[in-house]
Amino acid sequence: ETGVTQSPTHLIKTRGQQVTLRCSSQSGHNTVSWYQQALGQGPQFIFQYYREEENGRGNFPPRFSGLQFPNYSSELNVNALELDDSALYLCASSPSGLQGFGELFFGEGSRLTVL
Amino acid sequence: GIQVEQSPPDLILQEGANSTLRCNFSDSVNNLQWFHQNPWGQLINLFYIPSGTKQNGRLSATTVATERYSLLYISSSQTTDSGVYFCAVEPYNTDKLIFGTGTRLQVFP
Repeated sequence: ETGVTQSPTHLIKTRGQQVTLRCSSQSGHNTVSWYQQALGQGPQFIFQYYREEENGRGNFPPRFSGLQFPNYSSELNVNALELDDSALYLCASSPSGLQGFGELFFGEGSRLTVL
Repeated sequence: GIQVEQSPPDLILQEGANSTLRCNFSDSVNNLQWFHQNPWGQLINLFYIPSGTKQNGRLSATTVATERYSLLYISSSQTTDSGVYFCAVEPYNTDKLIFGTGTRLQVFP
């Protein structure tokens, strides 16, 4: 059984650019959620996807968008990058559906630096 | 919105000591989870515990949903227990997950 994998592990972008982060969910899990963790802070919930549709969103602007694919993998896209977007981006999968957040299993994260 | 506060913010222990971490939340929740973030940033699920008590080896957790708090007990601490411990809650009638402020634990040999 493979765990949650994320790519890339590290990347550097400049202000105004766009970035795509990828996540493969754990085998048997149909729900994926994304989190932003700034240095020294706790994770902040961005959004959750179930059956390829957004199912819950935190307080993030529309330039943060996502996709979930039929194999339950997911992408996080961030447009018009700002310096404050520098953070560790975490993906989690869970074996749940529309009944809220199940037990979450996290990937190792993608560390984004915006210059 | 809901407030999720953890205490203490920092904890320093010698190997073998016991500790209790607390998570208080200001509103009703559907579920609560405890996580350990190791020094490399990996978040590990410890407990999914909307109510009641669970145990897993040296760790146990208790959630009293009616009183809006949860406790994480670590017994016979080891240096590998070092890191940051987070609780996370899903408030009623939301599709959001809110993380607490975290407790940073350092265990010395």
